[in-house]
Amino acid sequence: EIVLTQSPATLSLSPGERATLSCKASQSVSSYLAWYQQRPGQAPRLLIYDASSRATGIPARFGGSGSGTDFTLTISSLEPEDFAVYYCQHRSNWPLTFGGGTKLEIK
Amino acid sequence: QLQLQESGPGLVKPSETLSLTCTVSRGPITGSRYYWAWIRQPPGKGLEWIGSITYSGSTHYNPSLKSRVTMSVDASKNQFSLNLNSVTAADTAIYYCARPSQELVGGAFDYWGQGALVTVSS
Repeated sequence: EIVLTQSPATLSLSPGERATLSCKASQSVSSYLAWYQQRPGQAPRLLIYDASSRATGIPARFGGSGSGTDFTLTISSLEPEDFAVYYCQHRSNWPLTFGGGTKLEIK
Repeated sequence: QLQLQESGPGLVKPSETLSLTCTVSRGPITGSRYYWAWIRQPPGKGLEWIGSITYSGSTHYNPSLKSRVTMSVDASKNQFSLNLNSVTAADTAIYYCARPSQELVGGAFDYWGQGALVTVSS
């Protein structure tokens, strides 16, 4: 089973700032990594798939990068609605696993 | 646009079986090669993949739950289902059904149900 470790656990930033979230895999997942945003009381929303491809309707301020074991989600300029919890997930093989999440909170 | 909706009891007694159904609308389960999935989230915690199934019945389960999980498809109703037996309080969670963005692979999930809270308690 591939373990995904996200850091930091909590990130405190202000609107307009740049956010950088990390996801590290215990072994290579190639580029088969996705990122999700989850707001309180809502289902997760797919942001990025295959490490760097934005899902349909996702704003350009969300960007993904990385391959192998190290991945980054970048939000270039935070909007108020971006403060939420973010999860990474791999699809490299079975079983699928998720990271523990990063909570992005308003500073 | 595809829609998924979970349904089932919101309260299950310890040691009994949790049963949930996901109804898919505005798109067929049959004829597709998607791995339809169940994912859960204990209150205040992270996401856990439970398992995935194709319409033809090919399954993959989370090893930590494999001994207690069964998934099935009812093509005539455009539904797929989850059974989790011998439940304990640790199985209390919001249960989501989801579909990945690409066929023949396990994720990433671009369609989700709204989630169903299932509480295990006597």
